[in-house]
Amino acid sequence: ETGVTQTPRHLVMGMTNKKSLKCEQHLGHNAMYWYKQSAKKPLELMFVYSLEERVENNSVPSRFSPECPNSSHLFLHLHTLQPEDSALYLCASSPTGTLNTEAFFGQGTRLTVV
Amino acid sequence: GQSLEQPSEVTAVEGAIVQINCTYQTSGFYGLSWYQQHDGGAPTFLSYNALDGLEETGRFSSFLSRSDSYGYLLLQELQMKDSASYFCAVRDRSSGNTPLVFGKGTRLSVIA
Repeated sequence: ETGVTQTPRHLVMGMTNKKSLKCEQHLGHNAMYWYKQSAKKPLELMFVYSLEERVENNSVPSRFSPECPNSSHLFLHLHTLQPEDSALYLCASSPTGTLNTEAFFGQGTRLTVV
Repeated sequence: GQSLEQPSEVTAVEGAIVQINCTYQTSGFYGLSWYQQHDGGAPTFLSYNALDGLEETGRFSSFLSRSDSYGYLLLQELQMKDSASYFCAVRDRSSGNTPLVFGKGTRLSVIA
């Protein structure tokens, strides 16, 4: 248990569906991240939030929409996804302002788009 | 930008020593980290090197050579439970928040 909780753990959705992934941390961290992990590819950074403000969007398609209502919660809203979006979506958090601190990851949501 | 290279797979015998190498290219270097991920699990932090040399933590050690843009993770007295994927990572200096950028990972299989 890393202190970062993601729900749901597994999600199957059709290409016309709308769903949301949730991430929650109570570690007192001010930075939260969404990563995408596909087979045979590195962990791809999608979004960065620092102090509830989005500071980075790594050229992610608009069908992925993040939301950070407070420093403890992070959402990833999904709509009209494609089969190639099937992957493990990982949330992470870390303190801000220091460079040698580790990132804490959630267990991920295994997403399958059919 | 950043790029990291590491072998895709390594197999080693239980009780042996294995070294996983990582070379990186980055526009600004803040240190090299290593993470472990078991199948179905979350990546977990193993080590961080900001300066040249060897850092030891129990059976795991991590080495960094900044002049060579190279580091490695050394696992000693291998156990079956060490079978996992291992990722090296650097901080992305192009972003003010310096998020972690990861290599593709090395899948370690420990065999009896």
